[in-house]
Amino acid sequence: AQSVTQLDSQVPVFEEAPVELRCNYSSSVSVYLFWYVQYPNQGLQLLLKYLSGSTLVKGINGFEAEFNKSQTSFHLRKPSVHISDTAEYFCAVRVSGNTPLVFGKGTRLSVIA
Amino acid sequence: DTAVSQTPKYLVTQMGNDKSIKCEQNLGHDTMYWYKQDSKKFLKIMFSYNNKELIINETVPNRFSPKSPDKAHLNLHINSLELGDSAVYFCASSPSGRAPQETQYFGPGTRLLVL
Repeated sequence: AQSVTQLDSQVPVFEEAPVELRCNYSSSVSVYLFWYVQYPNQGLQLLLKYLSGSTLVKGINGFEAEFNKSQTSFHLRKPSVHISDTAEYFCAVRVSGNTPLVFGKGTRLSVIA
Repeated sequence: DTAVSQTPKYLVTQMGNDKSIKCEQNLGHDTMYWYKQDSKKFLKIMFSYNNKELIINETVPNRFSPKSPDKAHLNLHINSLELGDSAVYFCASSPSGRAPQETQYFGPGTRLLVL
């Protein structure tokens, strides 16, 4: 069965600094990888997803992620964060239409002015 | 226009009661889901329905019963509520549910507190 590990439960970062949120996955078959963001008291929305092809995926709000098959990672990055990026970020994996979307435990990004 | 909506937004109730949460999507999607997010923000699938048919049923107590009157609605009924049921419940939908690369669209959540 597939699983997702988000190595950092909380990441504080100063405004305009770069950030990287780490995600590693475990699966014996090919995977589809997602990053979702949850702003306070809201539902989740998709930031970006990796399907195939280019390993660098660009998403909304200036975020990007890089798929690394050899390291089974899909880390999320932003070169310069804003206060409005303060939220919970979830990495997720799915292998087929018959299996559920499996989420990591989330990383709380706190942007400090 | 809200794509995936849930009612109520907040639900406070006593142990032992029965309650329902409603979900509606106006995206024309075939598949709908229920997720539970616990106090540590961990998000786990509970059920998924494709065109009113149950597709995924994770190890959820049978006190939880999903009901899909049509493909735009997926309601969650919970019997004999327990303290451990306190959580945020999210409804979601996706176009077909059969393609693993599909984006899931989430509702705003229902915050359930059992006293």
